[in-house]
Amino acid sequence: QVRVVQSGAEVKMPGASVKVSCTAFGYTFSTYYMHWVRQAPGQGLEWMGTINPDDGSTTYAQRFQGRVTMTRDTSTRTVYMELRSLRSEDTAVYYCARDGSAYSNTWFNPWGQGTPVTVSS
Amino acid sequence: EIVLTQSPGTLSLSPGERAILSCRASQYISSSLLAWYQQKPGQAPRLVIFGASNRATGIPDRFSGSGSGTDFTLTISRLEPEDFGVYYCQQYTGSFPFGRGTRLEIK
Repeated sequence: QVRVVQSGAEVKMPGASVKVSCTAFGYTFSTYYMHWVRQAPGQGLEWMGTINPDDGSTTYAQRFQGRVTMTRDTSTRTVYMELRSLRSEDTAVYYCARDGSAYSNTWFNPWGQGTPVTVSS
Repeated sequence: EIVLTQSPGTLSLSPGERAILSCRASQYISSSLLAWYQQKPGQAPRLVIFGASNRATGIPDRFSGSGSGTDFTLTISRLEPEDFGVYYCQQYTGSFPFGRGTRLEIK
């Protein structure tokens, strides 16, 4: 069964960093891009960026450039999203989602269960 | 960047009725590059339609997608109680903007 499983909830102080993991099961890890999306409380979905697990190349949404880093560990079939210089507006649920088509940027399927991140002093 | 505008913001209907959700793009999109997602409270989004008109695995045939160019539609022919939630459209042409969603609620 194809699925992606995320790490647990995080609580961080303003100015800190958070690193969320996403582990893939049931398919060839290097074949499908992985995307990160966040959702602030009561708000819509916001794409943050994409990583190619095959070579580690990344594409970030402009508003997160310089503050986000996405990496992968092929030995554990895990991708990571690190967000730095956290502020209260970064409080959100962070999702990873596998791309729906091999070696392509297309629709997102499946999605992880989400990782709540709370930024508060 | 392409902006997706969804309407209506909220749609109140009864089970058994037909739902029509709209997604309009600020510029032309190839129909192969438009998806719809369903999200229920406390859950992750779930893919419903990809390539504008293709149902994802496990999605019942009462769901259908259509449209081309800048105007796309998600239709649910006869609403079931489990269909209520928020629906988002998304395009995938280098970046992946989402619409702001249509909340489908029980009347």
